[in-house]
Amino acid sequence: QITLKESGPTLVKPTQTLTLTCTFSGFSLSTSAVGVGWIRQPPGKALEWLALTYWDDDKRYRPSLKSRLTITKDTSKNQVVLRMTNMDPVDTATYYCAHLTVTNWIGGLGQFDYWGQGTLVTVSS
Amino acid sequence: QSALTQPASVSGSPGQSITISCTGTSSDVGGYNYVSWYQQHPGKAPKLMIYEVSNRPSGVSNRFSGSKSGNTASLTISGLQAEDEADYYCSSFTSSSTVVFGGGTKLTVL
Repeated sequence: QITLKESGPTLVKPTQTLTLTCTFSGFSLSTSAVGVGWIRQPPGKALEWLALTYWDDDKRYRPSLKSRLTITKDTSKNQVVLRMTNMDPVDTATYYCAHLTVTNWIGGLGQFDYWGQGTLVTVSS
Repeated sequence: QSALTQPASVSGSPGQSITISCTGTSSDVGGYNYVSWYQQHPGKAPKLMIYEVSNRPSGVSNRFSGSKSGNTASLTISGLQAEDEADYYCSSFTSSSTVVFGGGTKLTVL
């Protein structure tokens, strides 16, 4: 059974760096054809993809936020960490991590088939 | 990377069928058969309903189906039920090896 859970601060101040941890079970990020992604959702708004890391350490980022995002994996701890610098009130959102099953190895294409419950992060002074 | 275009809302009566469209470009929806659809109830995490345009994960009702024509993908829900009332999002991989979501569609079951 695959499960994921996000953890991190619920409140950050503007200009601070946000660090979120996704702790998962039921799969390993050292296994082929697996990825973990981060997706956020501002209150009342749409889902927004942020970043992806793959079993082979390939990493991808949302182009408009690439300079602010870093995604890393710790396969020994079954964790994926997302760092977002220079937080702003517009970054207030529920942040989800999700398991990606890869079915096209060449492009790393697949679908987010398991999601964490999400964690609400508020950016305010 | 612009969001995929979905209608803001659709509605239907119990038992009816509805279709939600998801329009992108040849660099995303039109270029890859990696369109997914997610259902999200209020306060809950999204749930995968359709992947690779038309495949249903195990456990998802066969009332849900997906298709694609050109740059537009579609989600059809037949035999509408009250429990189908939720927000629906499409997503696609892109030629830049990134992921893009749609703006979401609120389904109301009348």
